[in-house]
Amino acid sequence: RKEVEQDPGPFNVPEGATVAFNCTYSNSASQSFFWYRQDCRKEPKLLMSVYSSGNEDGRFTAQLNRASQYISLLIRDSKLSDSATYLCVVNEDGGNQFYFGTGTSLTVIP
Amino acid sequence: NAGVTQTPKFRVLKTGQSMTLLCAQDMNHEYMYWYRQDPGMGLRLIHYSVGEGTTAKGEVPDGYNVSRLKKQNFLLGLESAAPSQTSVYFCASSYKEIAGGHTLSYEQYFGPGTRLTVT
Repeated sequence: RKEVEQDPGPFNVPEGATVAFNCTYSNSASQSFFWYRQDCRKEPKLLMSVYSSGNEDGRFTAQLNRASQYISLLIRDSKLSDSATYLCVVNEDGGNQFYFGTGTSLTVIP
Repeated sequence: NAGVTQTPKFRVLKTGQSMTLLCAQDMNHEYMYWYRQDPGMGLRLIHYSVGEGTTAKGEVPDGYNVSRLKKQNFLLGLESAAPSQTSVYFCASSYKEIAGGHTLSYEQYFGPGTRLTVT
């Protein structure tokens, strides 16, 4: 079983739509959670960190459900510029390795 | 503050040739990582380092060696390149803090990547 699993998509949504991605993780000892966005042929860049139950930054909301071992990312009022691949990343308590999902592809359509 | 830099950005090698990829960070981070990214596979950890002079194997270490002689630099070596090593290589750095009885790993900062083709 993979450490981190994401729905690869692709998600194609119209501008202004709300879209949500889910990510499940296998290790209950995980303490640090991240959502990165990666544009085509570029490096991953941090979108949000989650250390407790959730985090919100403008149109983006991340929620953590420890009981069910999943993290979600909600994007409201989608913009064309939100088109990218979104990576879910998990780190165990004290662990030295980060575990990456394979990414969820989002295309926002005019 | 340049963050994480990687050299070179692109390289084409013939099978059997060797090369070294250089990663440098100016954020005084203890932890550094080398990943490869292939289509449909996500990022896979090759080797990592938890401090100057230390290295450890990740998920896919075969065919690669690393060194961390200075805190700010992490080198990835391919001694005898193979076509299976054609990939995009990303370096990253990060740090940790202890809070509330837990060790929290803060986000990784990535370099721009090196596109390697082995023919």
